[in-house]
Amino acid sequence: RKEVEQDPGPFNVPEGATVAFNCTYSNSASQSFFWYRQDCRKEPKLLMSVYSSGNEDGRFTAQLNRASQYISLLIRDSKLSDSATYLCVVPWGDKIIFGKGTRLHILP
Amino acid sequence: GAGVSQSPRYKVTKRGQDVALRCDPISGHVSLYWYRQALGQGPEFLTYFNYEAQQDKSGLPNDRFSAERPEGSISTLTIQRTEQRDSAMYRCASSLDSSSNEQFFGPGTRLTVL
Repeated sequence: RKEVEQDPGPFNVPEGATVAFNCTYSNSASQSFFWYRQDCRKEPKLLMSVYSSGNEDGRFTAQLNRASQYISLLIRDSKLSDSATYLCVVPWGDKIIFGKGTRLHILP
Repeated sequence: GAGVSQSPRYKVTKRGQDVALRCDPISGHVSLYWYRQALGQGPEFLTYFNYEAQQDKSGLPNDRFSAERPEGSISTLTIQRTEQRDSAMYRCASSLDSSSNEQFFGPGTRLTVL
């Protein structure tokens, strides 16, 4: 298994729908996890941290499944402005490992 | 306040030349990270600093790449004898400290090696 793996997509989803995607990681010792968002030609920005108990922020919910070693991001009532690439981030010792990202297109 | 800045924003160089990329982190941020990002890929970790100390340079591709942060603020990533495969977006990020959840990224330097 690669260090951090994501489905590259693209996910083409109609506006208002719910979409979810996962990220698998191979280091069972990893303790913290993050989702970053990157718009086209822009720098990545932190979207949310992923806690053991899950984390919800408005329309966004992040979950951690330690047993299966994956984290998930769920977006409810998707907006056109949610179109972006979503990057899974897993610290690995002193290194920070980014996934390749999942591209999301919200369709009007 | 000012965010992370990087210069130059674009750099075109000929194969074999040396280049120096500069990163100016957010004032007061202890940790500074360098990444390389190819088109359609996530950022690839290169190295990071706490203050002026380079903590991990295992991500640097080879010995043509080096980085320094002599006064614990501005950092320079240097690529010697550039090759075409070095062409990419080079991104710098800073965080309050290494345990901080959030990294703040700069706009990047787009390097093109002809």
